[in-house]
Amino acid sequence: QSVLTQPPSVSGAPGQRVTISCTGSSSNIGAGYAAHWYQQVPGTAPKLLIYSNNNRPSGVPDRFSGSKSGTSASLAITGLQPEDEADYYCQSYDSSLSGVVFGGGTKLTVL
Amino acid sequence: QLQLQESGPGLVKPSETLSLTCIVSGGSISSSSYYWGWIRQPPGKGLELIGRAFYSGNTYYNPSLESRVTISVDTSKNQFSLKLRSVTAADTAMYYCVRVEFNSLSSDHWGQGTLVTVSS
Repeated sequence: QSVLTQPPSVSGAPGQRVTISCTGSSSNIGAGYAAHWYQQVPGTAPKLLIYSNNNRPSGVPDRFSGSKSGTSASLAITGLQPEDEADYYCQSYDSSLSGVVFGGGTKLTVL
Repeated sequence: QLQLQESGPGLVKPSETLSLTCIVSGGSISSSSYYWGWIRQPPGKGLELIGRAFYSGNTYYNPSLESRVTISVDTSKNQFSLKLRSVTAADTAMYYCVRVEFNSLSSDHWGQGTLVTVSS
């Protein structure tokens, strides 16, 4: 049972927009701690996709965006492409656990 | 361009110690802007932070692993290491070394990962 809750799977057709939610609590995202997002293409290491809620590292397309509201964070992907098919993980800090926590991951399928 | 490369045995016997090293190239491990950490991923499962260390030696460990883990930094070799004692089959995982941004605690650079299997 992960501290941050993500849907196990989402899907969308090429060109569509999808969102992935990351639901936390008052001791992590709701306490103001930043949410980060990682993309893991099968067979490869995770890659930082969004940091500090809504910032993209250099080289990440602007099709990827992040937002945060209350105790949840969201990752939005517009103009879905086949290469976006991957697992996506959210991460934050939890004050009650005094440590970094991850969501359980969401598998994105591009139909 | 910063690169991280894990090395170490791919097979460890139960009750023994798992030892991995991460060589950092393209940047200094002595930066005050980053921690250096380890994250693992059991086959088919999600990510778990093992811990992180600052170049000065300060460390943070996942409470669930704290009694068995040591992460150390060698600034002279620009590398850092993981030791996980008394391993069991539950410690079988892909182990990634990462650079962790000091303020945000996001992991902005990852090694390619190394699979460690615990089996006799």
